[in-house]
Amino acid sequence: AQSVTQLDSQVPVFEEAPVELRCNYSSSVSVYLFWYVQYPNQGLQLLLKYLSGSTLVKGINGFEAEFNKSQTSFHLRKPSVHISDTAEYFCAVILNQAGTALIFGKGTTLSVSS
Amino acid sequence: EPEVTQTPSHQVTQMGQEVILRCVPISNHLYFYWYRQILGQKVEFLVSFYNNEISEKSEIFDDQFSVERPDGSNFTLKIRSTKLEDSAMYFCASSLGLAEETQYFGPGTRLLVL
Repeated sequence: AQSVTQLDSQVPVFEEAPVELRCNYSSSVSVYLFWYVQYPNQGLQLLLKYLSGSTLVKGINGFEAEFNKSQTSFHLRKPSVHISDTAEYFCAVILNQAGTALIFGKGTTLSVSS
Repeated sequence: EPEVTQTPSHQVTQMGQEVILRCVPISNHLYFYWYRQILGQKVEFLVSFYNNEISEKSEIFDDQFSVERPDGSNFTLKIRSTKLEDSAMYFCASSLGLAEETQYFGPGTRLLVL
């Protein structure tokens, strides 16, 4: 079975500071990795995904994530955050062979203040 | 930009009552999903649906739950006899294909069972 652990439930940062949201996963088979963002009163929106190839993946809104197979991690980073980045961020995995079920972590609340 | 829509946004029901949650997936998508998020917990996969059949379901998706695509546009989740523990946010999602294809989420239906 697969599982996802998001190590920080809340991350408060100041505007223009860098941020890293941590995600570790556990799986006995190969998976694809995703980061989703949820703004207040909205659905989940894909930020980026890792399928194969380069381990550094760039997504929307200036976010990027690095896949580290040996550490089974997929941490999300942004060099300079904005107030508008305040949201809930979810890491997720799916089996890369005909998988349909996204397995999510508990989420990390990013709070950006001025 | 096409989006997944869900109705109603909020629903309050009495324990033991039947509820139907409705979703309109993105029009050219082939795979449809339901997830739920109990307050303060992870987003959990319930079921995936393709070609008018359930592709995959979780252990949460017991006999009290059913899904249907009654016409060419709607996708519904029925809970036959609601329990207090069914109170959650229910998200519908759709995708073009399996695994690596992005699942696009609706804004959710907040279900409260009293």
